[in-house]
Amino acid sequence: DVKVTQSSRYLVKRTGEKVFLECVQDMDHENMFWYRQDPGLGLRLIYFSYDVKMKEKGDIPEGYSVSREKKERFSLILESASTNQTSMYLCASSDSGTVSGNIQYFGAGTRLSVL
Amino acid sequence: AQSVSQHNHHVILSEAASLELGCNYSYGGTVNLFWYVQYPGQHLQLLLKYFSGDPLVKGIKGFEAEFIKSKFSFNLRKPSVQWSDTAEYFCAVNAYTGGFKTIFGAGTRLFVKA
Repeated sequence: DVKVTQSSRYLVKRTGEKVFLECVQDMDHENMFWYRQDPGLGLRLIYFSYDVKMKEKGDIPEGYSVSREKKERFSLILESASTNQTSMYLCASSDSGTVSGNIQYFGAGTRLSVL
Repeated sequence: AQSVSQHNHHVILSEAASLELGCNYSYGGTVNLFWYVQYPGQHLQLLLKYFSGDPLVKGIKGFEAEFIKSKFSFNLRKPSVQWSDTAEYFCAVNAYTGGFKTIFGAGTRLFVKA
């Protein structure tokens, strides 16, 4: 079974803090994704990466950055957390096959509260 | 731009009732279609998928979905729901638009009364 592990289930941070969310996958997948999940808005893509050190902006990249130094690890960084970044953050991975590569495997999520 | 619309945000059913959740997308090219499910306290996971072939696809736990290309729809169905189907359901569409990007719908919360 594919396992996508997010380092924290719950985080509480203060406005202005730098926040790191970590994600590790164990299936040697090329692609990794960060989404935020908000009620009524579904999943919105923040950033994704299709290879080590490669990254692409998603639909809502403002206020976020990412890092992928190793294939299995994809980090989401909030440079200066703000209250409107309070949300559930989901990490996902997929392989690069043209068929199977479209199936994403998700972590359990990190619920971040910014006070 | 691509978009995915789920018709209902909240659905409440009694056990044994039939379920149909609507999903429409806006993209004219070749698409791959998915339904994901998130049970309370659990990971989002794949329920079923359509890539090609028979437009009626079957997934886990008795769910099925029908791809109707002319209607840009991929509705999810189950003839008889159970209390354990209580979850949030997301429709998702993947199409090549300069990169393989998946767009998710807003989700439908299903509550099944025992």
